[in-house]
Order: sequence, then structure tokens, then C-alpha cells
Amino acid sequence: SQQGEEDPQALSIQEGENATMNCSYKTSINNLQWYRQNSGRGLVHLILIRSNEREKHSGRLRVTLDTSKKSSSLLITASRAADTASYFCATVGNFGNEKLTFGTGTRLTIIP
Amino acid sequence: DGGITQSPKYLFRKEGQNVTLSCEQNLNHDAMYWYRQDPGQGLRLIYYSQIVNDFQKGDIAEGYSVSREKKESFPLTVTSAQKNPTAFYLCASSPLSGSQPQHFGDGTRLSIL
Repeated sequence: SQQGEEDPQALSIQEGENATMNCSYKTSINNLQWYRQNSGRGLVHLILIRSNEREKHSGRLRVTLDTSKKSSSLLITASRAADTASYFCATVGNFGNEKLTFGTGTRLTIIP
Repeated sequence: DGGITQSPKYLFRKEGQNVTLSCEQNLNHDAMYWYRQDPGQGLRLIYYSQIVNDFQKGDIAEGYSVSREKKESFPLTVTSAQKNPTAFYLCASSPLSGSQPQHFGDGTRLSIL
């Protein structure tokens, strides 16, 4: 079963604009991770945020986590054509088995 | 360079045939995972292993089998019992401690002839 849902399913923006993607999940978590997938390739880890953290930054990426609403957002600032990809959130539950449960993904297209 | 290697990149299966997808890692990770990805969808867990000679079923294990005879290797067999095997298969690995991120291979695309 899939834990999370990303919103929107697809997003197209002009290069240089900011892109925001949202993720909602259903059960309590240990941490939430964001991954990027270029077409036909494997996933690349972007950022991990633990349940006791509210915000995390990495370069042009900003992730927020609201455990009371069971939601997270990924902001990519000053987008570039190379950011075109699918973005997935994935959660690790509190049961210590390290399994990731993935959402359905957001397809981001950056228009040059 | 450390990483995960999946082979082959493309694979075709005839009806009634078992096929095996290879996954090798040189990251010295204890845990390895197999996922299935259908078009426009997220990843679903097939099997995972946290130690050599031990593995657990994921959410969609029916029609698949795995082995973990070496730490570096976690092959996946798609059996003839899997009636809808056409998908993109991804292998991943991670250290066991502290909820570390998973590292992914570049996938194998399986199609039916």
C-alpha cells in the first residue's frame, strides 16, 4: 500500500521560478525523505527530515514537515532545466524496520 | 566508485518463463530492497533483506522470489506465476542503522514478448 500522496501530480513552471510540491501521509512516522527520479533512471536521495524537525535546507531545496497535519512540502528555488524530473516523498514508520513507503510522485517540468 | 549495478537494463520474458534480475552493490550496505514501478506510479516494495540468508516479503511479493547468499548480491526472480510482470524494477540498498537514505540502481525494464 502507498502511504503518501503528492500534490500536484504534475507541475510546469518557467525556469527561474520556485516550485512547491506537497506530500500527505497517513500514519505516524520516524522520518520523511524526498527523492528525485530522472526519466528512465533510478531514484536519487535529496533530503531527510526527522519527525522532531520542522524545516530543513539543502542548497536550493527547503523541506518542511508538519506532523500534526501529516504533511510535508518540498520547495525548489530558482528552478533550472536540470530540475525537470519526478519527485517522490517516502516515509519510514515508527516500527523500526527501515522500510520506505513511497508516494505517487509529482512530475515537474521546467520550461526554459 | 561505490554504487549499485542492475543488469540487464532491458529484459524480455516469454510466457511461462522465469527470468532473473541482477543487483550488486559495493557500498557494504547490510540492507537491500527490490521495488516495482508501474508507469506514472510510485514504488511498491517486493522483497527486502537486512542480513545475508534472510529476507522478508514486501507489499507485492506474489509471483517473485529472491535470495541473499552474499552481502553484495540480491537477485530477483520473476516467476511465471507473476501474470503482469511488465514494469520497471529498481534495486536499492542502505545501511541498517539510523534510518539512512536508500541508494538506487538504474533499474531493469521488463517486458513481455
